[in-house]
Amino acid sequence: RKEVEQDPGPFNVPEGATVAFNCTYSNSASQSFFWYRQDCRKEPKLLMSVYSSGNEDGRFTAQLNRASQYISLLIRDSKLSDSATYLCVVNLYQKVTFGIGTKLQVIP
Amino acid sequence: SAVISQKPSRDICQRGTSLTIQCQVDSQVTMMFWYRQQPGQSLTLIATANQGSEATYESGFVIDKFPISRPNLTFSTLTVSNMSPEDSSIYLCSVEVLAGAPEKTQYFGPGTRLLVL
Repeated sequence: RKEVEQDPGPFNVPEGATVAFNCTYSNSASQSFFWYRQDCRKEPKLLMSVYSSGNEDGRFTAQLNRASQYISLLIRDSKLSDSATYLCVVNLYQKVTFGIGTKLQVIP
Repeated sequence: SAVISQKPSRDICQRGTSLTIQCQVDSQVTMMFWYRQQPGQSLTLIATANQGSEATYESGFVIDKFPISRPNLTFSTLTVSNMSPEDSSIYLCSVEVLAGAPEKTQYFGPGTRLLVL
């Protein structure tokens, strides 16, 4: 089993739709979690951290389910500019593991 | 956050040659890392660049192939030695930052696109 697993997609959604991605991790001792966004031919950029209680940043909501060992990212009211690859990142004892990323394409 | 620059941004090299990639940060950072991202794959950590001591390499990566320097807290280099086409990839420098974040988070340089012929 991979340490961090994501559905690579692509997810093709119309503008204005709500879309959710999940990411599972294998090590229950994992300590911190993040979502990064990577645009085509660009470096990854931190989108948001993921907290146990769940957290929201505008149209983006991240949640952590430790019992089932997954994190999720919900994007509401999708914009064309949301088109990118979303990387799940898991940190365990300062070892950071990246998922393969989920590609999102928002269609006009 | 931190502003990170990398040079070169891209290069095309002949097999058997070596390329040194530079990473410059606009502030002093303790932790600097080098990653590789091959086409269609996620980021793979090559090594942690330690200031004043040898880099710490991940499984599958060795110093002879990927020598790293870290002369100070704002600069590091990664050399890809004796290149083969399999080394064609994006190489990314990252730093770990505490300020303004409840956890340590990583920020990435723009990457170096390497094509080996």
